[in-house]
Amino acid sequence: GNSVTQMEGPVTLSEEAFLTINCTYTATGYPSLFWYVQYPGEGLQLLLKATKADDKGSNKGFEATYRKETTSFHLEKGSVQVSDSAVYFCALGTLPGTASKLTFGTGTRLQVTL
Amino acid sequence: DGGITQSPKYLFRKEGQNVTLSCEQNLNHDAMYWYRQDPGQGLRLIYYSQIVNDFQKGDIAEGYSVSREKKESFPLTVTSAQKNPTAFYLCASTPYQGMNTGELFFGEGSRLTVL
Repeated sequence: GNSVTQMEGPVTLSEEAFLTINCTYTATGYPSLFWYVQYPGEGLQLLLKATKADDKGSNKGFEATYRKETTSFHLEKGSVQVSDSAVYFCALGTLPGTASKLTFGTGTRLQVTL
Repeated sequence: DGGITQSPKYLFRKEGQNVTLSCEQNLNHDAMYWYRQDPGQGLRLIYYSQIVNDFQKGDIAEGYSVSREKKESFPLTVTSAQKNPTAFYLCASTPYQGMNTGELFFGEGSRLTVL
């Protein structure tokens, strides 16, 4: 079956530090990969995605590259801000013609301090 | 604005009571989902529905029930048979045919606490 493994948190960084959150996956076929972000007390929002090998997803300064050879989709940001403090979820999904049943990692909490 | 509305945001229930969580979407999405979130466990799929009047069990359906009588609505009932119902519940939706990119659109969640 499909599975996603994320690094455990919490991750605590100072503002402007470099961020990496590791994510590896196990899947049959060719899944799409996603990073979702959850701010306190809210639902999840899509941060970025990649649908095939070597694709790079990017948004709001965050990037992740779909690496089929290492089955990884690590999230990076060059300079974090206090407003980036949230829980980040890596996920994979299989696509049409079935509904999108995403498999989520356990989430990594990021705390950015001044 | 289009989106997913979950209500109530917070809910308290006594042991032995059933409770229903509402989820409404105006995105014209075909598929809808219910996830449960517990600390340190990520999200787990409870039920999902691809079309009206049809739904399937997810990974942790025991103690829950759903209905899909309208495309816009997918209520979740947490029954007294659910042994550990205190959790954060998230509803989501996706387009189905033709526009399904795999991305889930989430509501803001409902936090259920059993007293």
